[in-house]
Amino acid sequence: DAGVIQSPRHEVTEMGQEVTLRCKPISGHNSLFWYRQTMMRGLELLIYFNNNVPIDDSGMPEDRFSAKMPNASFSTLKIQPSEPRDSAVYFCASSLGLSYNEQFFGPGTRLTVL
Amino acid sequence: GQQLNQSPQSMFIQEGEDVSMNCTSSSIFNTWLWYKQDPGEGPVLLIALYKAGELTSNGRLTAQFGITRKDSFLNISASIPSDVGIYFCAGQSDNYGQNFVFGPGTRLSVLP
Repeated sequence: DAGVIQSPRHEVTEMGQEVTLRCKPISGHNSLFWYRQTMMRGLELLIYFNNNVPIDDSGMPEDRFSAKMPNASFSTLKIQPSEPRDSAVYFCASSLGLSYNEQFFGPGTRLTVL
Repeated sequence: GQQLNQSPQSMFIQEGEDVSMNCTSSSIFNTWLWYKQDPGEGPVLLIALYKAGELTSNGRLTAQFGITRKDSFLNISASIPSDVGIYFCAGQSDNYGQNFVFGPGTRLSVLP
């Protein structure tokens, strides 16, 4: 069975460029979570969706970040414009319902902004 | 916001030894979760705890939900090389995302 799929696995971009990270949740899961992981701040929940609707985006750092979930099988996290401090590993996770204990994480996208 | 503290930050142990780590907070949580993260991978759930005082095992792993609801402990018995990784606790105080947080992690190294 396919787990959570994220693409790209690695992204290197220059400051000011737009970055789009993609996630395909596990089929049948109706909640999707975006996390950011850095050495300084650890794992931070950015936003989560339930049934394609954003439930809480209070973790999104600023207006440069946006996330969408146009359908049950796809979500994007966009950073525009990107800055060096956005460099981190971004994880997507999905679950059935809003159950944090049943979250399955993707392999992550390592973003480097030069 | 709510924060979790984990100790120790890192530890080096000999293969076969038992390991103990803990997670504390100044806030009360209704659920405690323990995850393990291998290099280059996302976290994987190890144990979930739902009631104060609850003690739950998963193979060589045992975790407890503290009675005060402000802490949790994870023990690993008879460590093996594949136990290497970062162990995160996470706490949930309700069903809404703003009250779900991860701890900073404990990095475990197992020496052969």
